[in-house]
Amino acid sequence: AQSVTQPDIHITVSEGASLELRCNYSYGATPYLFWYVQSPGQGLQLLLKYFSGDTLVQGIKGFEAEFKRSQSSFNLRKPSVHWSDAAEYFCAVGYSTLTFGKGTMLLVSP
Amino acid sequence: AAGVIQSPRHLIKEKRETATLKCYPIPRHDTVYWYQQGPGQDPQFLISFYEKMQSDKGSIPDRFSAQQFSDYHSELNMSSLELGDSALYFCASSFGIQAPGELFFGEGSRLTVL
Repeated sequence: AQSVTQPDIHITVSEGASLELRCNYSYGATPYLFWYVQSPGQGLQLLLKYFSGDTLVQGIKGFEAEFKRSQSSFNLRKPSVHWSDAAEYFCAVGYSTLTFGKGTMLLVSP
Repeated sequence: AAGVIQSPRHLIKEKRETATLKCYPIPRHDTVYWYQQGPGQDPQFLISFYEKMQSDKGSIPDRFSAQQFSDYHSELNMSSLELGDSALYFCASSFGIQAPGELFFGEGSRLTVL
């Protein structure tokens, strides 16, 4: 069975600092991996996805993620965080139906 | 651009009542997915439809049923509501079931059961 682990429930980052959100997955075949962002009371917005090819994928809003098969990881990064990035971030694995991690709440301090 | 439309956005029901949520996919999308997100939880897949046929089934309770209509909109019917059904219900749509990850989510319908 596929599963996703996001070990950090909350992360606080200073505005302008770099960000890395961790994601580890378990999947029986070649994984399809995604990062979604959810603002309070809002829907899920796709930030980026990995299917195959280049292991470093670029997404919207300046985010990127790196797929590391040896570590079963797909960590999300951003070089400089903005206050508007404060939200909950979900890593997901799957094909058409997705299995989500528990989410990481990002707080941005001034 | 048109997005996934869900209605109602908010719904309050009593225990043992029934509720119906509607989802209107992006035009030309033929696949619809339903997810349930409890308070502080991750979204859990309930059920999906492709070309009006059920394509996959997740952790959907027997008290719930869903269908996709000829215009591709979908309805999630929930009966004998329980307090634990209080959640945000997301609908997502995609074009074709062979399109991994190209899911577009609606803003959700928040169901509160009192």
